[in-house]
Amino acid sequence: GAVVSQHPSRVICKSGTSVKIECRSLDFQATTMFWYRQFPKKSLMLMATSNEGSKATYEQGVEKDKFLINHASLTLSTLTVTSAHPEDSSFYICSGRPSTDTQYFGPGTRLTVL
Amino acid sequence: GNSVTQMEGPVTLSEEAFLTINCTYTATGYPSLFWYVQYPGEGLQLLLKATKADDKGSNKGFEATYRKETTSFHLEKGSVQVSDSAVYFCALSSPGSARQLTFGSGTQLTVLP
Repeated sequence: GAVVSQHPSRVICKSGTSVKIECRSLDFQATTMFWYRQFPKKSLMLMATSNEGSKATYEQGVEKDKFLINHASLTLSTLTVTSAHPEDSSFYICSGRPSTDTQYFGPGTRLTVL
Repeated sequence: GNSVTQMEGPVTLSEEAFLTINCTYTATGYPSLFWYVQYPGEGLQLLLKATKADDKGSNKGFEATYRKETTSFHLEKGSVQVSDSAVYFCALSSPGSARQLTFGSGTQLTVLP
C-alpha cells in the first residue's frame, strides 16, 4: 500500500522558536498533500491543502503566516510552525493523495511548545 | 455542505463480540466513503472504502456497505479482537478539484479480553 512518512515524530521546542515538519510519500507521487491538526480525543481538523508547485489553500481560521506550507516536489511537503506558542501544541498529521480519491496518512508529529 | 455523523463512543466490547459502528452522511453528488482506524499515538490507516452505491468495502474482517437510500456506511465486524481497540473514523470525499475528506467525530473502541 501507499506509505507516507513524517519527521520528526515528536518535537519539543521553546516558545518563540520555529519548527519544521516534513511529510514524504515514499512509494507514490502525491499530487495533493493535506495537513491536519488533531486535538486530544477529537477528530482531525483540516488546516490546508497543497498542490505541488503552487501555493497552499488554507482553511478558514488558519493563519497562513503562522503555518507555512511548502510542497516543492511530488513526494515532499513541509509545514513550518513559526514563532510557536504553547497553544500550538498539538498532533499534526499529513496525508498524500495520488491521482485517486484516497488519502494516505502519515504517522503524525507530536509538537509540544514549552 | 458535506457532513458525517458517527455513533458516539466510547464503545466497550468483550472479545469475539459483534461490532457495529453507525455512520450516516450528507453530501452533494456521489461521494466516496471511507473508514479509517487510528491506533494510540499513530496516524490514520485506511481500513476500507467504497466508491459507489451498493459497493461493499472489506478488510481484516471489517465490512461496510455504501447505502445510498439511507445515506449510511455502517462498519461491522463479526468477532472483534483485543487488537481491534482503536479509534475509528468514518469519512467522505466528494467529487471536486480538491476532494477533501470530511470526517466524523471518531468512535473509540475498546475490546476487553
